Amino acid sequence: KQEVTQIPAALSVPEGENLVLNCSFTDSAIYNLQWFRQDPGKGLTSLLLIQSSQREQTSGRLNASLDKSSGRSTLYIAASQPGDSATYLCAVRITWNNNDMRFGAGTRLTVKP
Amino acid sequence: KAGVTQTPRYLIKTRGQQVTLSCSPISGHRSVSWYQQTPGQGLQFLFEYFSETQRNKGNFPGRFSGRQFSNSRSEMNVSTLELGDSALYLCASSWTGGLNTEAFFGQGTRLTVV
Repeated sequence: KQEVTQIPAALSVPEGENLVLNCSFTDSAIYNLQWFRQDPGKGLTSLLLIQSSQREQTSGRLNASLDKSSGRSTLYIAASQPGDSATYLCAVRITWNNNDMRFGAGTRLTVKP
Repeated sequence: KAGVTQTPRYLIKTRGQQVTLSCSPISGHRSVSWYQQTPGQGLQFLFEYFSETQRNKGNFPGRFSGRQFSNSRSEMNVSTLELGDSALYLCASSWTGGLNTEAFFGQGTRLTVV
């Protein structure tokens, strides 16, 4: 059974810091991994999608890496801003032909001005 | 391009009642998935529809059902509501739901069962 863990559960940093969020999964047989952001009471915003054959993806100040064999992904946020404050979720797709994804519990990030 | 639209945004229902939630996917997307989010269990997969057919189903009781229409809009129904059904229900749309497609989520429907 695929289990996804995110560490730390919560993180508070001052504005301007670079930071790393971690995601680990128990079964390396995944088809892709997606990072999302969720603001309180809102839906999920897709940040980055990494295919299982890829090692990393970048979008602006965000960089996500994937090491499938070790069951790990990291989300790197450069020069953090207060507007980055949100919960960050990673999800792994466990089947090739539908949207059955397993989610971690998320990391709640607070960036202080 | 409009995003994923879920209606209504908020619902309050009484135990024992039934409820129907709606999800309109991004134009051109044919896969719609439903997830339940609670503080205790996090995000859990309910089911996925593609071209009006349920392709996969999570581990939820039969009180949770869904359907998809020819225009890809999807509805989720919960019958005989229980207090534990209180949650944020999210739907995700993607082009095919296949391994190379990105899932986009709506804002969710907050269901409160009293």
